Amino acid sequence: DGGITQSPKYLFRKEGQNVTLSCEQNLNHDAMYWYRQDPGQGLRLIYYSQIVNDFQKGDIAEGYSVSREKKESFPLTVTSAQKNPTAFYLCASTPKGLSVNEQFFGPGTRLTVL
Amino acid sequence: SQKIEQNSEALNIQEGKTATLTCNYTNYSPAYLQWYRQDPGRGPVFLLLIRENEKEKRKERLKVTFDTTLKQSLFHITASQPADSATYLCALSLYNQGGKLIFGQGTELSVKP
Repeated sequence: DGGITQSPKYLFRKEGQNVTLSCEQNLNHDAMYWYRQDPGQGLRLIYYSQIVNDFQKGDIAEGYSVSREKKESFPLTVTSAQKNPTAFYLCASTPKGLSVNEQFFGPGTRLTVL
Repeated sequence: SQKIEQNSEALNIQEGKTATLTCNYTNYSPAYLQWYRQDPGRGPVFLLLIRENEKEKRKERLKVTFDTTLKQSLFHITASQPADSATYLCALSLYNQGGKLIFGQGTELSVKP
């Protein structure tokens, strides 16, 4: 089955630790996105990548980092510089990043900082 | 300032009725607008897309309208069912922004049997 997988589903982190969230897709999509969702709020864009080895900051990139070494993978690192990292993180992809397309979402990772 | 707003309160309707959800935006000129469904603890699922030059789009029991003068989109679910209960998100895409989307906060719909 084609789709997007995110792991882990739940993640707990101590303050001051970096943590990496995994996002993999086998849809052969060019563009990938990371969003953060807080209760009662819409999705906010953290980073996006329209092609391998290239990525851009979204609206709330501070305290996060990404890499795009392979087309199918777009991991997100939440660093200790992120002041309020507890949230629901969603990864998405689209066939082409520069054209009109629906976004396909993964199941999400819920990160809790203890 | 730029804003995209959906009904902040949850919408409760009776099974069989038509649900109407609203998405309003200010200070944006969207190229197109999308609607997604999100179930608790899950990722959003795409439902419909409408372009700025389209007035209306339909898919089965779903209908979306797009009024760029009013800066508003309406999302209708006819003959609603309890299985339609979920949060519905609207999202704008702007010109020259590639595939980036700007999401509203969502409206929670509850359909009672």
